[in-house]
Amino acid sequence: DQQVKQNSPSLSVQEGRISILNCDYTNSMFDYFLWYKKYPAEGPTFLISISSIKDKNEDGRFTVFLNKSAKHLSLHIVPSQPGDSAVYFCAASFRYGGSQGNLIFGKGTKLSVKP
Amino acid sequence: EAGVTQSPTHLIKTRGQQVTLRCSPISGHTSVYWYQQALGLGLQFLLWYDEGEERNRGNFPPRFSGRQFPNYSSELNVNALELEDSALYLCASSLGQGDDEQFFGPGTRLTVL
Repeated sequence: DQQVKQNSPSLSVQEGRISILNCDYTNSMFDYFLWYKKYPAEGPTFLISISSIKDKNEDGRFTVFLNKSAKHLSLHIVPSQPGDSAVYFCAASFRYGGSQGNLIFGKGTKLSVKP
Repeated sequence: EAGVTQSPTHLIKTRGQQVTLRCSPISGHTSVYWYQQALGLGLQFLLWYDEGEERNRGNFPPRFSGRQFPNYSSELNVNALELEDSALYLCASSLGQGDDEQFFGPGTRLTVL
């Protein structure tokens, strides 16, 4: 049973517009969430994270929003650039509640930003 | 500063063979994690090593094993390879126990024929 779900396998946006990537989770005990970006032939690169005590975290063009009651988080990229085209993975963990070390990943969303 | 390195980059094996994959973490990182990314799936957690000890393992059969050396580098061994073991194997490292900002290597692409 998938605990972290990214229901959109792909997303296409125009350069300069906002990209919104969504992620849902089922385990309310998750207390830390991360977004990773992955280019072909490379490993995932850490983008941004948020702990469950916050509802928003911002880093430059990237903002992550967390809605605990809905068990939903989203990554906003504004403005989107062609170099943002990659696969984005959402991940969750039990960081503060007793880490088990592993991150639980969604299947990823492939973002294409068109010039 | 060098990132996480993995070797080899690609590997082709046949069913029943054994394979060893290698990972060197970022300098100063003591935790090493192994993940499997099969086609169409997300990253599936395999193993976590910290300070030379196996701390946790994912839902994989015992033919997946590994170890961490005193210099914190790590090996992943897969015995009796099966076709479904074909995947990208990713290694990640972090500063300490369960520090969740994990930094990934480029992966080893394993093909089992």
